[in-house]
Amino acid sequence: AQRVTQPEKLLSVFKGAPVELKCNYSYSGSPELFWYVQYSRQRLQLLLRHISRESIKGFTADLNKGETSFHLKKPFAQEEDSAMYYCALSGTSYGKLTFGQGTILTVHP
Amino acid sequence: DAGVIQSPRHEVTEMGQEVTLRCKPISGHNSLFWYRQTMMRGLELLIYFNNNVPIDDSGMPEDRFSAKMPNASFSTLKIQPSEPRDSAVYFCASRSDRTNIQYFGAGTRLSVL
Repeated sequence: AQRVTQPEKLLSVFKGAPVELKCNYSYSGSPELFWYVQYSRQRLQLLLRHISRESIKGFTADLNKGETSFHLKKPFAQEEDSAMYYCALSGTSYGKLTFGQGTILTVHP
Repeated sequence: DAGVIQSPRHEVTEMGQEVTLRCKPISGHNSLFWYRQTMMRGLELLIYFNNNVPIDDSGMPEDRFSAKMPNASFSTLKIQPSEPRDSAVYFCASRSDRTNIQYFGAGTRLSVL
């Protein structure tokens, strides 16, 4: 069975502070991990996927298979980063995504 | 490409009425997913299709919910009869086998009074 856990429902930081959104997963095979972002009342958008190893909007995420984690990090948070962030796992079944419960990030001025 | 298109964007209806939500996936994508988003339960996968064939509908909450994909460019999610607890935002997403990335529509915000 696939499972994604985001332990923090809410996360608040001040502008310019580092931010880390935690994601842990459970999957017996070789997963593909994603981070999606949803700005207020908008559609979900892909932020990162682990196989592309990119930095998008200053965010990075590294897949740690030993710890089964895919934490999202940004060294200096900006107010426009305030949003809901979902971690998701894709197994082998037609790209079905299993989402975590989401973390609401609020960046204060 | 205009992306995944959902209609209507907002739907307000009374308990007991039939509700039909529509989705047009991105052209060339061969998988389509329906999700429901609520504050309490987060994002739930309801059903998904591959090449217009339903693959897994285990997330559909009750028999009141049904989904169809008559062709590669159109899908519907129907609730009959609707109940207040069905109030949520319903998202459709499509995916290409080639990229394995799901692209989401803007969602339909459903309110059942």
